Amino acid sequence: ETGVTQTPRHLVMGMTNKKSLKCEQHLGHNAMYWYKQSAKKPLELMFVYNFKEQTENNSVPSRFSPECPNSSHLFLHLHTLQPEDSALYLCASSQEPHSGANVLTFGAGSRLTVL
Amino acid sequence: DAKTTQPPSMDCAEGRAANLPCNHSTISGNEYVYWYRQIHSQGPQYIIHGLKNNETNEMASLIITEDRKSSTLILPHATLRDTAVYYCIVRVASDTGKLIFGQGTTLQVKP
Repeated sequence: ETGVTQTPRHLVMGMTNKKSLKCEQHLGHNAMYWYKQSAKKPLELMFVYNFKEQTENNSVPSRFSPECPNSSHLFLHLHTLQPEDSALYLCASSQEPHSGANVLTFGAGSRLTVL
Repeated sequence: DAKTTQPPSMDCAEGRAANLPCNHSTISGNEYVYWYRQIHSQGPQYIIHGLKNNETNEMASLIITEDRKSSTLILPHATLRDTAVYYCIVRVASDTGKLIFGQGTTLQVKP
């Protein structure tokens, strides 16, 4: 248990479905992140939120819609996804996003399969 | 942020020290060196970070060369549970706090 909890751990959805991934951190951190990891590829940064404000969108398609209602919760809303969006989606949080000594704590990830 | 170069894979015998190299020849004076690892299908785990001086914690030691162009992560007594992908990342303090991961080194600890 890292203090960053992701649900669900596994999700299977059709291309016309709408689903959401949830991330909750119990560490009192100020920044939260979504990363995507496709098979045999490095982690790709998707979004960054600092103090609930989005500060980074790494050219992510609009079918992925993030939401950060407060510093402890982060959602990734999914709609009309493609099979190539199947991946491990990882959430992370950190205390001092502006600091050079910024340490990210990751959740266990949500494994998404799009049929 | 500066790029890093790591060997794609390494083997280590159980109980021996594992020394994982990283080259970051374009590193700037205000960029930190971070090491994370990812055990199969889990989230990455923070190991250690440093700026100029060598660092040690309960997991590992980080040796940074004097010119800061390369570093080595040392796992003093590798176990089978240390088998993972190890990522070396350099970053400067920024507004977003993002970390950019590369391909990393796959360390296989063998009995």
